[in-house]
Amino acid sequence: NAGVTQTPKFQVLKTGQSMTLQCAQDMNHNSMYWYRQDPGMGLRLIYYSASEGTTDKGEVPNGYNVSRLNKREFSLRLESAAPSQTSVYFCATSRGHEQYFGPGTRLTVT
Amino acid sequence: SQQGEEDPQALSIQEGENATMNCSYKTSINNLQWYRQNSGRGLVHLILIRSNEREKHSGRLRVTLDTSKKSSSLLITASRAADTASYFCATDDRAGTASKLTFGTGTRLQVTL
Repeated sequence: NAGVTQTPKFQVLKTGQSMTLQCAQDMNHNSMYWYRQDPGMGLRLIYYSASEGTTDKGEVPNGYNVSRLNKREFSLRLESAAPSQTSVYFCATSRGHEQYFGPGTRLTVT
Repeated sequence: SQQGEEDPQALSIQEGENATMNCSYKTSINNLQWYRQNSGRGLVHLILIRSNEREKHSGRLRVTLDTSKKSSSLLITASRAADTASYFCATDDRAGTASKLTFGTGTRLQVTL
């Protein structure tokens, strides 16, 4: 079992470009999450999906959109990237309280 | 805003010593969790303590929770070089069926031989 996978692993964008970060899980979990982690800080929740067909804003949703494509997949889209969105992005899943994290996508916006 | 603040920010100890990290939070919680992050990797769940529990053990890990002081501590006993990582506390503000975590800023632990 792969657990939680994220693509791509690394990405460099120019200001104003768009991109979609992909997350997939084979754990049959209902809930999925997107976080960002900036240097010296903990993770901050961007969006989450409690179950297939629902999405909700987290602490820092501005500049992002999400799609819960099906139970397995939850994507994060940056429509017009800004340097402030340079960060490491983590996807996670949960069935109960414990969350399981993917390996992360390191995004640089120049 | 960060729910949890961790102390110390960095900790360096020798193998075999114990490591203690503290976490303070601001609002009432359903549970508090601790995660480990190795450099360049995703987070790994270590232990969960519920708001009605005061202490919990898992292997070399011991977690305490004081809801009156809104604080928790993580003790790693007999540390090993492999314990070198960042450790984060996370409070669970359960929103419906999703576990909605708010993370602290983390403690970087360095265990030297």
